[in-house]
Amino acid sequence: DAGVIQSPRHEVTEMGQEVTLRCKPISGHDYLFWYRQTMMRGLELLIYFNNNVPIDDSGMPEDRFSAKMPNASFSTLKIQPSEPRDSAVYFCASSPTRPGVEQFFGPGTRLTVL
Amino acid sequence: DAKTTQPNSMESNEEEPVHLPCNHSTISGTDYIHWYRQLPSQGPEYVIHGLTSNVNNRMASLAIAEDRKSSTLILHRATLRDAAVYYCILNPAGNQFYFGTGTSLTVIP
Repeated sequence: DAGVIQSPRHEVTEMGQEVTLRCKPISGHDYLFWYRQTMMRGLELLIYFNNNVPIDDSGMPEDRFSAKMPNASFSTLKIQPSEPRDSAVYFCASSPTRPGVEQFFGPGTRLTVL
Repeated sequence: DAKTTQPNSMESNEEEPVHLPCNHSTISGTDYIHWYRQLPSQGPEYVIHGLTSNVNNRMASLAIAEDRKSSTLILHRATLRDAAVYYCILNPAGNQFYFGTGTSLTVIP
């Protein structure tokens, strides 16, 4: 299995532009998570899905952020418009159904907003 | 979400055991204790988890206090590749993880 796949690995954009981050979870995993990591705030859970349905989006910082999971093998995190304070590493993770099991993280997307 | 407390940093000599402590005094009966680590420029990776009993796997051991208010991750022989930030996380009977600041482990050759 290739693991969790994220694209792009690096993204540099200018303030005000739309940014779309992509994630392909491990096949058969029913849960998908989006995290953001910064030096100031560490690793933060933004949103997670179960069977393609958003369950908890309380970590999404504001309306500029949106996430979708149109099918079991694909999710997007969109920022529109982007701001310099959105610069961070964004991780996607997936896990199987049962509680208390491990999450598998992707390599992350490093976003820089100028 | 339940809180964990870990030292900000620790050092260990190569090939010596490392004991990474974690306090979680507000743990509830259904909270699993997870440990993840994050190597430089990588995503977090699973190390070990447990509920009540001590656990061993190929990477590490997890010692859980009898009252479950604390736990210790044990790396039996630290290598340079073990240098990472180690996160202790309480996971309710669900799937959300809330990462704290973790312990940055430095391994000295």
